[in-house]
Amino acid sequence: EIVLTQSPGTLSLSPGERATLSCRASQSVSSSYLAWYQQKPGQAPRLLIYGASNRATGIPDRFSGSGSGTDFTLTISRLEPEDFAVYYCQQYGSSPIFTFGPGTKVDIK
Amino acid sequence: DVQLVESGGGLVQPGGSLRLSCAASGFTFSGYNMNWVRQAPGKGLECISYISSGGSTIYYADSVKGRFTISRDNAKNSLYLQMNSLRAEDTAVYYCARHRSPQNYYYMDVWGKGTTVTVSS
Repeated sequence: EIVLTQSPGTLSLSPGERATLSCRASQSVSSSYLAWYQQKPGQAPRLLIYGASNRATGIPDRFSGSGSGTDFTLTISRLEPEDFAVYYCQQYGSSPIFTFGPGTKVDIK
Repeated sequence: DVQLVESGGGLVQPGGSLRLSCAASGFTFSGYNMNWVRQAPGKGLECISYISSGGSTIYYADSVKGRFTISRDNAKNSLYLQMNSLRAEDTAVYYCARHRSPQNYYYMDVWGKGTTVTVSS
């Protein structure tokens, strides 16, 4: 079973700053199987990125994803006030039961 | 608008049962695979079940296997999760989500707002 690890656990930044979030897999993951979600308090997760680097419909271009193999990155180029949230990476493995990383919280410094 | 709306959550005693529903609208429900995902209070996301568009292929996470049953009624545009032998650790917000796999990409693109299940005596 592939385990996803996210770092840092919490990222404290100011609006306008750049955020770099890491997702590391315990084994190589196909880039096609890697997605990122944003979740705000009391809300459902929202798909941001699929296939490691493809923005979902309606996602602003300040969000970008990259990586391959075991190391993937979500970058928010300039944080807007609405971007402070928890971010999860997700991978698809040997069955249609997705697995998630533990999340990175981006909070206001 | 594409929408998923969960219902059926509530307070149940350990060992009890509950049936969750997810009503789909705004898209051709019968053409999509679906997942249930849960989130315990203050914790991360856990995908617990999957059902194919026609209902013939089903998967469960080990944490719920043998206790939970996923099903769907395409005529009613509805997804279900029958939860039996509930435990305190099943306490969570339960989300239904639309499973997508176009061109070998895999993700969940539409989520409901969730329904809360609390297992406590």
